[in-house]
Amino acid sequence: QPVLTQSPSASASLGASVNLTCTLDSGHRTSTIAWHQQQPEKGPRFLMKITNDGRHNRGDGIPDRFSGSSSGTERYLTISSLQSEDEADYYCQSWGTGTWVFGGGTKVTVL
Amino acid sequence: EVQLVESGGGLVKPGGSLRLSCAASGFSFRTYTMNWVRQAPGKGLEWVSSISSDSRYIYYADSVTGRFAITRDNAKNSLLLQMNSLSAEDTALYYCARDIGSGGNTVPDYWGQGTLVTVSS
Repeated sequence: QPVLTQSPSASASLGASVNLTCTLDSGHRTSTIAWHQQQPEKGPRFLMKITNDGRHNRGDGIPDRFSGSSSGTERYLTISSLQSEDEADYYCQSWGTGTWVFGGGTKVTVL
Repeated sequence: EVQLVESGGGLVKPGGSLRLSCAASGFSFRTYTMNWVRQAPGKGLEWVSSISSDSRYIYYADSVTGRFAITRDNAKNSLLLQMNSLSAEDTALYYCARDIGSGGNTVPDYWGQGTLVTVSS
């Protein structure tokens, strides 16, 4: 199954944009991944799936401020027009046969 | 509206057992693969186990194989996790999650709010 690597933290100002990166191991460079948001003291929420060619499908009710893209082994989540409620942990996720695997998470701070 | 509500968490002594439940509503439970995912205090997400819609395919993380058992009752829209031989390393918030249903077990598209399991003497 894939190995997913994320930077532990990112920050940006209110109203600005932030880009998060999830890096797949080279043996799984064509894998589809998903991004999930976890606000403080809440359960995770599915944001979107991103394929290796950059197509992405958002979850129910996810605003288009959240977008995704891909390049090689990297999958990106861009959050535009940052709002205070975007301050959260963001996890990328993929799968093996019957199993799920998660990246270590990126904590986003809104300045 | 899709809802997943976990219950059954609590404080248990090392070596003890606990049974978690997840009550599902708002969708055709019997047609979806379901999963348990846990999160230790201050840590990231760790997948625990999955069960296919018909219970035919079941998978476990290495860390719980032989100690945990996942089952489901499609008549009651219920997902269960029997946890035995618990240790401090099993202390975590346990989430129930639905697979998106695009074939296989790929992406969780709905999550519960979690139930806390604390293993301590």
